[in-house]
Amino acid sequence: EIVLTQSPATLSLSPGERATLSCWASQSVSSYLAWYQQKPGQAPRLLIYDASNRAAGIPVRFSGSGSGTDFTLTISSLEPEDFAVYYCQQRFNWPPTFGQGTKVEIK
Amino acid sequence: EVQLLESGGQVAQPGGSLRLSCAVSGFTFRSYAMSWVRQAPGKGLEWVSAISASGDNTYYADSVKGRFTISRDNSKNRLYLQMNSLRTDDTAVYYCAKCPPGAVPDLFDYWGQGTLVTVSS
Repeated sequence: EIVLTQSPATLSLSPGERATLSCWASQSVSSYLAWYQQKPGQAPRLLIYDASNRAAGIPVRFSGSGSGTDFTLTISSLEPEDFAVYYCQQRFNWPPTFGQGTKVEIK
Repeated sequence: EVQLLESGGQVAQPGGSLRLSCAVSGFTFRSYAMSWVRQAPGKGLEWVSAISASGDNTYYADSVKGRFTISRDNSKNRLYLQMNSLRTDDTAVYYCAKCPPGAVPDLFDYWGQGTLVTVSS
C-alpha cells in the first residue's frame, strides 16, 4: 500500500501567517490526493480533493498543489479557527491511505 | 444539512463482538457509497471498510477482513459495522463517512462525530 509522509509533524505559527504543509507519497498517486482538517474532539472535514479542488464551503485561503509524489497544502493567512491537525489521503491505489498528520499550533 | 450519527460504541472484551450503527439524514442515502474510518487514541486515520450505494459491493482493510462485516439498510437510512473477534488494537473512535459519487468509495466528503470502541479485558 502507498505510504504518505507528512512534514513537519508540528508547525508553530501566529494568526495571519502563511502555513505550508507537505505530503510525500511512496509512489506516484497522480493527482488523487485529498486534505482533511481535524479539530480536537471533532470529526475530520474534507478541505481539498484531487490535489487542488476545494470542497464545498471551504474558504479560499486554503489551496492545494502538487502531483505525482509531492503535494502541498497552503493556508494563505491563518485564522484562529485554522489551528488543527491536517491529514493527507491518497485514492490512487486501493486501499485509501492517510498520512500521519501535521499539527498547526499557535506560536 | 448532511448529518451522520454513529452509535453502538462501548467497552468489549477481546474476542467479543459489537455492532456499530450510523443514522444518516440530509441526503439521498441510497445513492451514495459509505465508509467506516477509525482513529486509535492519539493516532492518525485508518480506512476500515466501505460499501457501494446498492450494498452489492463491499471492501475491507486487511486488518479487519474476515472479522468485520459492513452492511446497510437503504429503507432505514442506516449503515452498520458488525465487529467480531475483537482485538485490543481495534480500540478506536469509529467514524462513518459519506463518499461522493465515483467508481470506488475512496474519498470522504462528510463525516459523523464518531463512536468510541474500547477493547479491553
